[in-house]
Amino acid sequence: DAGVIQSPRHEVTEMGQEVTLRCKPISGHNSLFWYRQTMMRGLELLIYFNNNVPIDDSGMPEDRFSAKMPNASFSTLKIQPSEPRDSAVYFCASTSGDGNSPLHFGNGTRLTVT
Amino acid sequence: AQSVTQLDSQVPVFEEAPVELRCNYSSSVSVYLFWYVQYPNQGLQLLLKYLSGSTLVESINGFEAEFNKSQTSFHLRKPSVHISDTAEYFCAVSKTSYDKVIFGPGTSLSVIP
Repeated sequence: DAGVIQSPRHEVTEMGQEVTLRCKPISGHNSLFWYRQTMMRGLELLIYFNNNVPIDDSGMPEDRFSAKMPNASFSTLKIQPSEPRDSAVYFCASTSGDGNSPLHFGNGTRLTVT
Repeated sequence: AQSVTQLDSQVPVFEEAPVELRCNYSSSVSVYLFWYVQYPNQGLQLLLKYLSGSTLVESINGFEAEFNKSQTSFHLRKPSVHISDTAEYFCAVSKTSYDKVIFGPGTSLSVIP
């Protein structure tokens, strides 16, 4: 299996622009998570889906952030408009949800907002 | 709600010396416990997990962790570290196998030649 695939690996954008991060979970996994990692705040859970349905979005920082999972093989995290404080590494992770399946992480998208 | 504390943000240790990375958690319900490792410019990878049964769990590369319910701890140990163990280590907790996983702040392990 190719693992969790995130794109792009790096994104540099100007403040005010829209940013879309993409994630393809491992085939057969029914739970998907978006995390944000910064030096100051560590790993923060933004939102997670189970069977394509958002279960908990309490970690989404503001209305500027939105996430969708239109089908089992694709999810997006959108920031509109972006701000410099959104600069971070954004990770997507998936799991099959049974007791023996850990979270499988993608390699992340490093977002820089100038 | 669950939370995870990792008291040591940085742990330097000489090669072949033993190491312990501390993790404490708080939760009002039974939890699953995990240690994940992150190498530079990569996502996190599972190192080991405690779901139930034996309180001592081991990884394939020599790490072990012991679940201590009375002390609400899940410390990670290795008797002899290698240069390649240099990485960021995260302790994590979840209520169920499909519930959200909450991560601690991480401990940066640096192995000194």
